[in-house]
Amino acid sequence: GAGVSQSPSNKVTEKGKDVELRCDPISGHTALYWYRQSLGQGLEFLIYFQGNSAPDKSGLPSDRFSAERTGGSVSTLTIQRTQQEDSAVYLCASSLTVNYGYTFGSGTRLTVV
Amino acid sequence: GESVGLHLPTLSVQEGDNSIINCAYSNSASDYFIWYKQESGKGPQFIIDIRSNMDKRQGQRVTVLLNKTVKHLSLQIAATQPGDSAVYFCAENPLVSSYKLIFGSGTRLLVRP
Repeated sequence: GAGVSQSPSNKVTEKGKDVELRCDPISGHTALYWYRQSLGQGLEFLIYFQGNSAPDKSGLPSDRFSAERTGGSVSTLTIQRTQQEDSAVYLCASSLTVNYGYTFGSGTRLTVV
Repeated sequence: GESVGLHLPTLSVQEGDNSIINCAYSNSASDYFIWYKQESGKGPQFIIDIRSNMDKRQGQRVTVLLNKTVKHLSLQIAATQPGDSAVYFCAENPLVSSYKLIFGSGTRLLVRP
């Protein structure tokens, strides 16, 4: 597609359940990023994928969070045993290469009740 | 994405006036800077970027100024329009050849008709 696509756009889940968030980057973009945006805060880096290199997971807040990128394209962010503090907007972005402007998707708004 | 909350610095301007949004960045080694605009319910949208070997860059109705001496970045919007109302984020790339953008906390711009 022409832009970064994220699904679902909204997700309400019960505390303790697992959730999967999906990101389709722009075709041809080798770099893919996940950020989290909590109410009242800026964008918090979570994880980065670049080509076939090992991902940088340094921003993941706990071992309940994981992400994968299959075939260098689609990425899935998984949150296990969700907690209320996981409630936020999860943003995916892609870029043509490193040190280049990101294009963001519209995000997935996650609410844990 | 959603607006980041109730306690953002807010700039209120009259339609047609010029707007200046300021940002202090943290790392003197940062070599790449970007301004993003985020409207309610959407992901951040790229506006303009600048590299550290420049001190000014102009786009359509927007100008970014970089003062490396005091680690300050500003975004100037000429003839502000109602459609410019949004939250604006600056972002810095703190390391040469790094991929990770560090985002500021944002400024809300309100345009009065």
